[in-house]
Order: sequence, then C-alpha cells, then structure tokens
Amino acid sequence: NAGVMQNPRHLVRRRGQEARLRCSPVKGHSHVYWYRQLPEEGLKFMVYLQKENIIDESGMPKERFSAEFPKEGPSILRIQQVVRGDSAAYFCASSNSGTGETEAFFGQGTRLTVV
Amino acid sequence: AQSVSQHNHHVILSEAASLELGCNYSYGGTVNLFWYVQYPGQHLQLLLKYFSGDPLVKGIKGFEAEFIKSKFSFNLRKPSVQWSDTAEYFCAVNVGGYNKLIFGAGTRLAVHP
Repeated sequence: NAGVMQNPRHLVRRRGQEARLRCSPVKGHSHVYWYRQLPEEGLKFMVYLQKENIIDESGMPKERFSAEFPKEGPSILRIQQVVRGDSAAYFCASSNSGTGETEAFFGQGTRLTVV
Repeated sequence: AQSVSQHNHHVILSEAASLELGCNYSYGGTVNLFWYVQYPGQHLQLLLKYFSGDPLVKGIKGFEAEFIKSKFSFNLRKPSVQWSDTAEYFCAVNVGGYNKLIFGAGTRLAVHP
C-alpha cells in the first residue's frame, strides 16, 4: 500500500531556472496539500487542491509559484525563475476527504536547493 | 491569525527519562489537534490526534497528549523514552472546515543510550 510519493527527493537548480516538484497521492485520495518548510521553521501551508481544482491557495506566493492536480497523473508544484529564498523542503500530503477530521498522509518531501 | 507555539526547539534526554513537549495554539474556537513525528530521513507520521471527547488521547508507541482548553495547550508526553524516539516532533492544528494544518516550528528530540 504505497503512501504519498514525492520526487525528486533532492533537486538543485540555478537561479532563474524552473523547478517542478511531483506528488503522487495515496491511491484513491483526491485531496492534495502542499507545504513548505524553511530552515528552522515549521511547515507552512501553501495550497490545497482537489482533483483539477484549486480550493485554497492562500499560502502561495503571488508570483512564480503554481500548482496543479490533473485528472490523470501526479500533482505538480511549479516554481519559475527560482531564487535563493526558494531553497526549502516541500512536502505534499493527501487525504481521502476534505474534512478537518481526516488524517493527512505526508510524503518524504523534496529538498530544493537554489545555487 | 491562528498560530502554534512549541516552546522547546531542542531536547536531549537519556533513555528511560520522561518526556513532555509543550504546544500552545492561539484560536478561540473549535480546533482539531495533532502531533506528527518525523524520524530521520522519513516522512511525517501521525502520532495522535484530538477532535473531541476525552481530552487525554493515546497514540502510537506509548505517546499520549492532553488537551487543556483553558490553557490552549496540547502537550505531548511519554513516561519513558527510548533511543528510537530520536526524531523531530511537530504539533499542528486545523480550525475545522478542511485539512489545512498550521504547524509549530518543531522540537528535535535526541535520546542518548
């Protein structure tokens, strides 16, 4: 029973390049959440998607960041023109329901380093 | 805005010592509370959760937490830690609606044999 799979685990990008982070939720889960963890800080909510729809993107930076969760395939977090401040661990979580009492299962994260 | 505070950023204990990690949240309404653990190199795992009912909740691996509404606290406890408990522990809340979690900064626990 595969859990949430994120790839790559580690990603190095030069300033100005694009970063694409992938998240395959637990089989059957249609709710995906992305979080970012900066060094020495807790995870911060970025975006909540439910199959093809963005439900809440209140934590997403206004520029350069976008997320999608297509009908087929993994969820993608895309960061255009990366800057050093984007270096962080990005975690994806999924759940089978959108209610607050549903357990969210987390992936191992993608550690993005911008050089 | 809602926030979660974890007072201890780094804790070092010897095996068999008792553990208590503090967690306070700021929100006046109904909350769902969680403790997650992240072992080195692994994903976050749910230790325990509180939605309603008995404020003393028991989780996996001998952990428990007590919800004290008047203190806005949800402290994590374990009577006797083991070396394998070395990990980072995160307290989190959501304020209903959907599963948007607000995390504390985490506590890194190191247990020495």
